[in-house]
Amino acid sequence: KQEVTQIPAALSVPEGENLVLNCSFTDSAIYNLQWFRQDPGKGLTSLLLIQSSQREQTSGRLNASLDKSSGRSTLYIAASQPGDSATYLCAVHSSGNTPLVFGKGTRLSVIA
Amino acid sequence: DTAVSQTPKYLVTQMGNDKSIKCEQNLGHDTMYWYKQDSKKFLKIMFSYNNKELIINETVPNRFSPKSPDKAHLNLHINSLELGDSAVYFCASSFEPLRGTDTQYFGPGTRLTVL
Repeated sequence: KQEVTQIPAALSVPEGENLVLNCSFTDSAIYNLQWFRQDPGKGLTSLLLIQSSQREQTSGRLNASLDKSSGRSTLYIAASQPGDSATYLCAVHSSGNTPLVFGKGTRLSVIA
Repeated sequence: DTAVSQTPKYLVTQMGNDKSIKCEQNLGHDTMYWYKQDSKKFLKIMFSYNNKELIINETVPNRFSPKSPDKAHLNLHINSLELGDSAVYFCASSFEPLRGTDTQYFGPGTRLTVL
């Protein structure tokens, strides 16, 4: 059974810092991995999707990497801004007719 | 031009009541989902429908019954509500699962409080 772990659970950084959020998963047989952002009281917004054949995806200041063999993904945020404050969720889509499995998220606070 | 919409946004009700949450997507997706996010913010799949057919049904009490009248709608009906049903329920949609590019799009959530 796929399990997804995110470390740290919470992170507070000053504005302008580069930061890395970590995600690990137990079953490396995956179709894809997604990073989402959730703002308080809101739904989830998809940030990046990495297919199993890819090693990374970039969107603006965000870069997500995938190391399938070791069961790890990282989300790199460059030059963080207060508007980046949110909870970031990692979700894995495993092989077969299985649903997305989410981690518990990392709550990020960027302090101005 | 909302992509995935849910109604109501907030729902407060007494134990034992029956309630429904509606979800609609205008993205042309053929797969829709219901997720539950508990008080610890853990998000877990409940159901998934593809072209109006149930394809995923996780361990959910049979008091929860999804209904998909068409590809664009997936409603969630809950009978005999219990305190433990209090949570935020999210609807989502995507193209056919098992494809490498099936990004899921989420609705804004329905916060259910059972008193």
